[in-house]
Amino acid sequence: EDKVVQSPLSLVVHEGDTVTLNCSYEVTNFRSLLWYKQEKKAPTFLFMLTSSGIEKKSGRLSSILDKKELFSILNITATQTGDSAVYLCAVFYNNNDMRFGAGTRLTVKP
Amino acid sequence: EAQVTQNPRYLITVTGKKLTVTCSQNMNHEYMSWYRQDPGLGLRQIYYSMNVEVTDKGDVPEGYKVSRKEKRNFPLILESPSPNQTSLYFCASRRWTGGSYNEQFFGPGTRLTVL
Repeated sequence: EDKVVQSPLSLVVHEGDTVTLNCSYEVTNFRSLLWYKQEKKAPTFLFMLTSSGIEKKSGRLSSILDKKELFSILNITATQTGDSAVYLCAVFYNNNDMRFGAGTRLTVKP
Repeated sequence: EAQVTQNPRYLITVTGKKLTVTCSQNMNHEYMSWYRQDPGLGLRQIYYSMNVEVTDKGDVPEGYKVSRKEKRNFPLILESPSPNQTSLYFCASRRWTGGSYNEQFFGPGTRLTVL
């Protein structure tokens, strides 16, 4: 069965800490992996990863994909309270299928 | 402004009372879909549509219907809602270009409670 598994499910850190969120997947005909940030509203797009080993970076956030080991990580350095959110991983596969993980709830305390 | 709109944003209803949640996008996207989000389960796809008059089931279609009579609209219909359909619902749209992924735009969400 196709699946996307995120870990940890929740995480509490203090401002300034660095966090690593994990996403592993098992799907047929993988095409892309996507990361979203969800605050108290609709998910907003962060990154799309298609190739192994190429880091995508946006400010303090970065992400990388390992297509051999079937996982991706999302790193957030120097966390701020505004980073508190649910981070969703999704995999686009076959011609049209998309599956989301359960999400990681990140809480950043002052 | 490019956007996906949903209505209503909040709805409390009773078991068995038919309801429709509307979804509309102004980006001329071919692909539209409905998701439900429940704690600990992430987003699960209910139905999707690759173009007008083309719809297909997602992972959790039971108890839902959709239609795609116009490109911009993709309503979600609950013919006889039950309490297990209490959830947060998102409509989304994106361009459809075969096997390539194009950024997906989400609506603001509809929080539905079925008593």
